[in-house]
Amino acid sequence: AQRVTQPEKLLSVFKGAPVELKCNYSYSGSPELFWYVQYSRQRLQLLLRHISRESIKGFTADLNKGETSFHLKKPFAQEEDSAMYYCALEGSSNTGKLIFGQGTTLQVKP
Amino acid sequence: DVKVTQSSRYLVKRTGEKVFLECVQDMDHENMFWYRQDPGLGLRLIYFSYDVKMKEKGDIPEGYSVSREKKERFSLILESASTNQTSMYLCASSPGLAGFGEQFFGPGTRLTVL
Repeated sequence: AQRVTQPEKLLSVFKGAPVELKCNYSYSGSPELFWYVQYSRQRLQLLLRHISRESIKGFTADLNKGETSFHLKKPFAQEEDSAMYYCALEGSSNTGKLIFGQGTTLQVKP
Repeated sequence: DVKVTQSSRYLVKRTGEKVFLECVQDMDHENMFWYRQDPGLGLRLIYFSYDVKMKEKGDIPEGYSVSREKKERFSLILESASTNQTSMYLCASSPGLAGFGEQFFGPGTRLTVL
């Protein structure tokens, strides 16, 4: 079965501390993975996708096929990073359908 | 800018009422989606559509139906609203290419069923 698991509901760190939001997936093929973010009172939006291998707002995510993980990292958290983060997997149906994890709330304290 | 709009930000309905949630996108996208967003459960797909008049069930279709008569509009219908359908509903759209991945979301409709 295709599944995305985000084990932490809430991650609380101090400003300037490193951040790692965990994401594990279950998928038999070659996965397409994404991180979406929802800031307070804003709509859900794409943060980054693994095929781009880019850094957005200082965040990076590396696909580890051996561990079936796609953890989101940032070396120094900022208060404006506080948001809800969702990891998502594109399923195999060729319809652009995404399977989302449960979400992790990141709280960056001053 | 891709714009996905939803007809209401907040909606309060009574148990048993028929409820319509409307979603419109202005970027000629092929795919449209309806999700529920609940704390601790993430986003769960209710229905999606990859073409006009085409629809497929998602993970939690029970109690819902959809309609897509025009490419830009995707409606979610609660035939007889129940209290367990109180939730945030998100609509999204994406281009028709598999592997493109980016979905564009509307602002959401917070539905309360009393």
